[in-house]
Parts: sequence; C-alpha cells; structure tokens
Amino acid sequence: NAGVMQNPRHLVRRRGQEARLRCSPMKGHSHVYWYRQLPEEGLKFMVYLQKENIIDESGMPKERFSAEFPKEGPSILRIQQVVRGDSAAYFCASSHIRDEWNTEAFFGQGTRLTVV
Amino acid sequence: GQQVMQIPQYQHVQEGEDFTTYCNSSTTLSNIQWYKQRPGGHPVFLIQLVKSGEVKKQKRLTFQFGEAKKNSSLHITATQTTDVGTYFCYTGTASKLTFGTGTRLQVTL
Repeated sequence: NAGVMQNPRHLVRRRGQEARLRCSPMKGHSHVYWYRQLPEEGLKFMVYLQKENIIDESGMPKERFSAEFPKEGPSILRIQQVVRGDSAAYFCASSHIRDEWNTEAFFGQGTRLTVV
Repeated sequence: GQQVMQIPQYQHVQEGEDFTTYCNSSTTLSNIQWYKQRPGGHPVFLIQLVKSGEVKKQKRLTFQFGEAKKNSSLHITATQTTDVGTYFCYTGTASKLTFGTGTRLQVTL
C-alpha cells in the first residue's frame, strides 16, 4: 500500500511561470489537504478537498493559487505567475475520515519549489 | 477561529536531558495528534489522544491530553540525537485541521 505520493520532489521555476504540484493520496483516502512550509517555519494550512469538491480554501491566497481533486487522477495545486515569495515546501496529506474524532493524516514527502 | 499555540518555539538540550513541549488551544479540542518532522523531511504521525486526561507512552515519549481537553504535552525522557526535529501538535474536526506552531528541538552531545 503506497503512501501519499507527491511529484515532483523538487521544482524550479522562473518568475512568471506556472507551477503544478501533484498529490496522489493513499489508496482508499478521499480527503486531501495541502500545506505550505517556509524555511524554519511551521506548516500553514492552504486547502482541504474531497473528490471533486473544495471543502475549505481559507488558507489559500485568492489570486494565482488554485487547487483541484478530480474524480480520476491526483490532486493538483497550481500556482500561476510564480514569484520569489512562493518558494517553499508544499506538503500534501490525505486521510480516510471515519468520524470527526479520528482524523489521522498521512503526509507525502513534499515538493520543494524554488522560484528563480 | 481555532488557535493552537505551542511553546517553546525552540529548545536546545544536551543529550540525556529531558524535553517537554506544550500545545494550548483557545477552544476545547475533540482530539489531538502529534507529529514529528526531521530536518528536510515530512511530518510523521506519532500518536493521537482523544479522551480527557489521557496519557500514552511510546518508549521515552509520554503524551498527555489535559482534563479540559484544551492542552496537551509531549515529554521526552533522556533525549538522544535521534530526537532532533520539529514536533507539531495537530488538531481539529474532519472539516478543519490546524497545526500548532511547532517546537524545534536541537540535541547536542
């Protein structure tokens, strides 16, 4: 049973380009969360998705950032017109929600985005 | 909204010393989880606490959930260099999951 798979592991983009980060949740998991981590800082919640639905995007910047989790295929975090401040590690987590008391999340190894 | 604060933000100990990090919430928590992130790595699940006053142990690690379910602690006895990393508490319901600010632990010989 493969864990949460993120790719690419490292991504370099020039300012103004688009970055696409992919996340395949664990088998059987239908809930995906994206987090951003700046160097030496904690994990900041960005967005929570279920299949074909965005449940909570309160942590995601209103402009240039979007996320989706289609019926088939991985979840995608898309950053348009990247700027240097977007350089960070982006982690994806997935969970199988049984009830509100049990929300253990499994994390991917992250995508480290560098904007040059 | 839910606020989760962790203290301290950073701690540097000598190998063999004990270490404790605290997670405090402004609201009552349904559950709390602890994660460890090694430098350059990704968060790894350690444990989940659900019941008021619950205490769980994993070898040298002791996890506690407060009676009022508003705070939690992680205590490491006799730290080792392998304990280096950042420890996060993680909490919320299915619809809202919040990480604590994290405590970065440095252990030197």
